[in-house]
Amino acid sequence: EVQLLESGGDLVQPGGSLRLSCAASGFTFSNHAMSWVRQRPGKGLEWVSVLSGGGGVVRYAESVKGRFTISRDNYKDTLYLQMNSLRAEDTAVYYCSRGTAEVIYYTIDVWGQGTTVIVS
Amino acid sequence: QSVLTQAPSASGTPGQRVTISCSGNTSNIGSNHVQWYQQFPGTAPKLLIHRSSQRPSGVPDRFSGSKSGTSASLAISGLRSDDEADYYCAAWDDSLNGDDSLSGWVFGGGTKLTVL
Repeated sequence: EVQLLESGGDLVQPGGSLRLSCAASGFTFSNHAMSWVRQRPGKGLEWVSVLSGGGGVVRYAESVKGRFTISRDNYKDTLYLQMNSLRAEDTAVYYCSRGTAEVIYYTIDVWGQGTTVIVS
Repeated sequence: QSVLTQAPSASGTPGQRVTISCSGNTSNIGSNHVQWYQQFPGTAPKLLIHRSSQRPSGVPDRFSGSKSGTSASLAISGLRSDDEADYYCAAWDDSLNGDDSLSGWVFGGGTKLTVL
């Protein structure tokens, strides 16, 4: 069974840092691009970042560019999101999600259960 | 302000057919496939439709998707009470904010479907 399990969400002060992790299982991790998508309280889905299966192609939303860094360890089947200079508006549930192929622009098909980040 | 535009709400009665629309532009829906996701409160989104009109295995054929130009639609027929959820459209955007050097995923603001 394909599973994505996020961790690392916490309460952090403005200006602080946090690293989210997403442990993947049930599929060949390196064959799939991976994304982070967030959802602010009571709001819709907002894409944050995507990383290709091999790790060579990355994209960020403008709202997080220069502050967040996405990375992956294909030996540990784990995706990361390093979040620096956190702001109140970064408060959200952060979902790890899988693309259907190695390239970044293919369908996002599987989502984790989410981890909550509160900046206050 | 979401890049893709959806009506914030929709409603129907059991058994009815409901359509949810999603409007974009030439750099997202006009150039790429559309995905539709269903989300119940407090849970993760679930893929309903991919490649604009394809249903993943396990999704009932009551759900269907279509795309024309820079718009897409999700139709739900034989509406049921357990279809009450939030529905989001998404597409890859080749030129975020009109900048050809930026690309990424864009989502609609979501449509809350109420079954009366």
